[in-house]
Amino acid sequence: QKEVEQNSGPLSVPEGAIASLNCTYSDRVSQSFFWYRQYSGKSPELIMSIYSNGDKEDGRFTAQLNKASQYVSLLIRDSQPSDSATYLCAVNEGQGFSFIFGKGTRLLVKP
Amino acid sequence: DAGVTQSPTHLIKTRGQHVTLRCSPISGHKSVSWYQQVLGQGPQFIFQYYEKEERGRGNFPDRFSARQFPNYSSELNVNALLLGDSALYLCASSPGVGTEAFFGQGTRLTVV
Repeated sequence: QKEVEQNSGPLSVPEGAIASLNCTYSDRVSQSFFWYRQYSGKSPELIMSIYSNGDKEDGRFTAQLNKASQYVSLLIRDSQPSDSATYLCAVNEGQGFSFIFGKGTRLLVKP
Repeated sequence: DAGVTQSPTHLIKTRGQHVTLRCSPISGHKSVSWYQQVLGQGPQFIFQYYEKEERGRGNFPDRFSARQFPNYSSELNVNALLLGDSALYLCASSPGVGTEAFFGQGTRLTVV
């Protein structure tokens, strides 16, 4: 059973702090990794994609990938209350026909 | 540019009925995937279509079926609805296989 694991949280950080969200996956052949943000009652919104080992930065967001450890993370710098949402980690499955999602980590940014 | 559009946004059905959900992908995207999301869980993969052919199917019963049309829009059909089918149904559009996927606003299905 291929799985993506995330801590459900909630992860609570003060405004302006760095939020660190983590994800592990079981399928060693996965090649594509994604972070989505989902506000309550809304659909997931793509934040970042990462395909190679290392870091990828986009504004306040940095995705980190370590394929040897089967680990992907998302850092959010200068966290804002508007960042409060559930963050979903998604990993492509095998031949890439589908994504396997984690259950999501709920992030709360307190003013 | 128009994003992924799904219809309807909300739907209430009775057990045993049939439902059809519709999705129009982003212009130029040839891949459409369907996911089911129940409260507190991540989306679960149902189907993927690429170039009008089924390329993947998740662990869902045969009551679930889908198709993709020549214009790349897609339908998800669910027969003999059960209470447990109540969920948010999401359509995702991608330019290709394994690439970034963009979700529509979803269809909230309630089975009573």
